[in-house]
Amino acid sequence: DAMVIQNPRYQVTQFGKPVTLSCSQTLNHNVMYWYQQKSSQAPKLLFHYYDKDFNNEADTPDNFQSRRPNTSFCFLDIRSPGLGDAAMYLCATSRWGASTEAFFGQGTRLTVV
Amino acid sequence: AQSVTQPDIHITVSEGASLELRCNYSYGATPYLFWYVQSPGQGLQLLLKYFSGDTLVQGIKGFEAEFKRSQSSFNLRKPSVHWSDAAEYFCAVGSLILTGGGNKLTFGTGTQLKVEL
Repeated sequence: DAMVIQNPRYQVTQFGKPVTLSCSQTLNHNVMYWYQQKSSQAPKLLFHYYDKDFNNEADTPDNFQSRRPNTSFCFLDIRSPGLGDAAMYLCATSRWGASTEAFFGQGTRLTVV
Repeated sequence: AQSVTQPDIHITVSEGASLELRCNYSYGATPYLFWYVQSPGQGLQLLLKYFSGDTLVQGIKGFEAEFKRSQSSFNLRKPSVHWSDAAEYFCAVGSLILTGGGNKLTFGTGTQLKVEL
C-alpha cells in the first residue's frame, strides 16, 4: 500500500545533541509537511516543501531545519534540542492545493533527556 | 486567520449510544474541513472531508459530518459507537498556502472520546 513512513517511531536524544527524524512516502505527492504535536495539544505546522521549495512558518524556531533530497524523502533536523522540543513529530504529504487531503505518517515520539 | 474550536475536551458515551462531536470554525472564505482520528501513540487518520457540494458527508467507520455555514459548524456524528472508536478526534480547516503551494491544516485542540462497555 502507498503510505507515509516515519523513522524511528521513538527517539530519545540528549539535551543539545543534534537529532534527525526521517519521513518517506510512496504516494508521489509533491508537498510534504512537518507538524509538531506537544502533549495534549493540537498538531502545529512547522514547515512544508512544495517540490524542492522550502516554506517556513513564521513562528517556527531557527533550531528546526528540514531537508528534502528527493520527492520521496524529507528530514527534520533539530540542531540543539531543548526540553521544550519533546513532542510527537508528524510528517504528512498531499498534492498541491487546499482541496486535497493530507496523509499522515505514524509519527515520531521525541524525548529529550 | 483561521481557527477551529472544539468545545468538548472529553466525552464519554456508552457502547451502542449515538455520538456527536462539535466543531466550530472561523475562516474568511469557503472552508475546506476535515475530521481526523488519532489513537494513542499513532498518527492521524482521515475520517472524512468537506470541500463543496452536499453538506452531509459520509466517512469511514460509519462516521458522518454536516457542514452548516450559518452556524460555522462541522459536527461529527455516529449513530452507534463501538468500543474501538475510543480515540482523540481532531477537526481541522485547510487553507491554501499562497507562498508555498501547500495546504495548511489548522487543528482544533481535540476531543478525547471514551467508550464505556
